[in-house]
Amino acid sequence: SQKIEQNSEALNIQEGKTATLTCNYTNYSPAYLQWYRQDPGRGPVFLLLIRENEKEKRKERLKVTFDTTLKQSLFHITASQPADSATYLCALLPGGSQGNLIFGKGTKLSVKP
Amino acid sequence: NAGVTQTPKFQVLKTGQSMTLQCAQDMNHEYMSWYRQDPGMGLRLIHYSVGAGITDQGEVPNGYNVSRSTTEDFPLRLLSAAPSQTSVYFCASSPKTGPLNTEAFFGQGTRLTVV
Repeated sequence: SQKIEQNSEALNIQEGKTATLTCNYTNYSPAYLQWYRQDPGRGPVFLLLIRENEKEKRKERLKVTFDTTLKQSLFHITASQPADSATYLCALLPGGSQGNLIFGKGTKLSVKP
Repeated sequence: NAGVTQTPKFQVLKTGQSMTLQCAQDMNHEYMSWYRQDPGMGLRLIHYSVGAGITDQGEVPNGYNVSRSTTEDFPLRLLSAAPSQTSVYFCASSPKTGPLNTEAFFGQGTRLTVV
């Protein structure tokens, strides 16, 4: 069956450390993967997109990697801050899809001062 | 630029009632979609549209109807509300369809409770 999984429901880290979130998928051939941030009571907000032919993308303190052999994407937040505390969602676009994103359940990140 | 606007933000319905959740975007996006978000389930696609006059079913379409008469609007209709439809509903839009897309823009959500 097709699945997209974010390994941790919750991740607690200390301010200043690097947070690493994992997204694994099975039986998909994604055109790309995306990462979103969701704060309580709000809609998801887009952060980064990485395509199937890309290994790594960076944006300020954020870095995403994509390994199509391992069927895995890693999302890193360096020098984490309490303001980074939120739920982070990964989403993939299956190859051939018209735009129907498949979402993981999310990882709730808490950054302690 | 308002982005994606959803109304209402909160709604309580009695079982069997019908209602329409409104969604409008002012970015001239081709692709629009409705998701529901339930605890422990993640976001699941209900219906989607690749342009005015074109709609199709997603993963969990039963009990819902949609229409897309204009590029801007994509309302979601609950035909006969059931407690299982208690959820948070998100409307989203994207500039293009398929892999040409770069990101999805989400509304603020509608929290629906069916009693």
